[in-house]
Amino acid sequence: DTAVSQTPKYLVTQMGNDKSIKCEQNLGHDTMYWYKQDSKKFLKIMFSYNNKELIINETVPNRFSPKSPDKAHLNLHINSLELGDSAVYFCASSVIPGTQYFGPGTRLLVL
Amino acid sequence: QQPVQSPQAVILREGEDAVINCSSSKALYSVHWYRQKHGEAPVFLMILLKGGEQKGHEKISASFNEKKQQSSLYLTASQLSYSGTYFCGTLDMNRDDKIIFGKGTRLHILP
Repeated sequence: DTAVSQTPKYLVTQMGNDKSIKCEQNLGHDTMYWYKQDSKKFLKIMFSYNNKELIINETVPNRFSPKSPDKAHLNLHINSLELGDSAVYFCASSVIPGTQYFGPGTRLLVL
Repeated sequence: QQPVQSPQAVILREGEDAVINCSSSKALYSVHWYRQKHGEAPVFLMILLKGGEQKGHEKISASFNEKKQQSSLYLTASQLSYSGTYFCGTLDMNRDDKIIFGKGTRLHILP
């Protein structure tokens, strides 16, 4: 049973393209997150949703737009991809703040 | 305020012990430890909520000194499976649903 799943696992694309990453959790958690992990392994929060409502929106370019159709799903759409967007993107969910369950990650490479 | 982890990296032989420290310049109310194996997602290890609290998970334990604003993770008789990057996290003072991760400590166990 997969708790938090993401698709796709790998994404290789050209600069300027638009791409989406999908996330689903079957844990019944109310809160979901998107994190970006760069090449130095630094984990930085991007967005957080609680029961479909955006509650955390860090200083992220507005080319990144999250969407939560329901509390079990959180998607991330990225417009006009840039080289610096290359990273691993993790989705996570939690019921207790600070106790987060991460998805397997989406490795994005922008060429 | 990002917590500071030390050391940045550790190389040990199987069976040796390790200590990873996490400190903050601001008051800590909780500390959260995660482990990320190479190519995988971070996995929650434990949360410490009270000053002086100690917790254990197999041969991995942690302490939390609220007064000193620091926590330590202890890995006893390390196993090959302990290799990975260990992150400590603290909750944002201004919003308790946002975790701020340290930069991580890379632990490599040699046979």
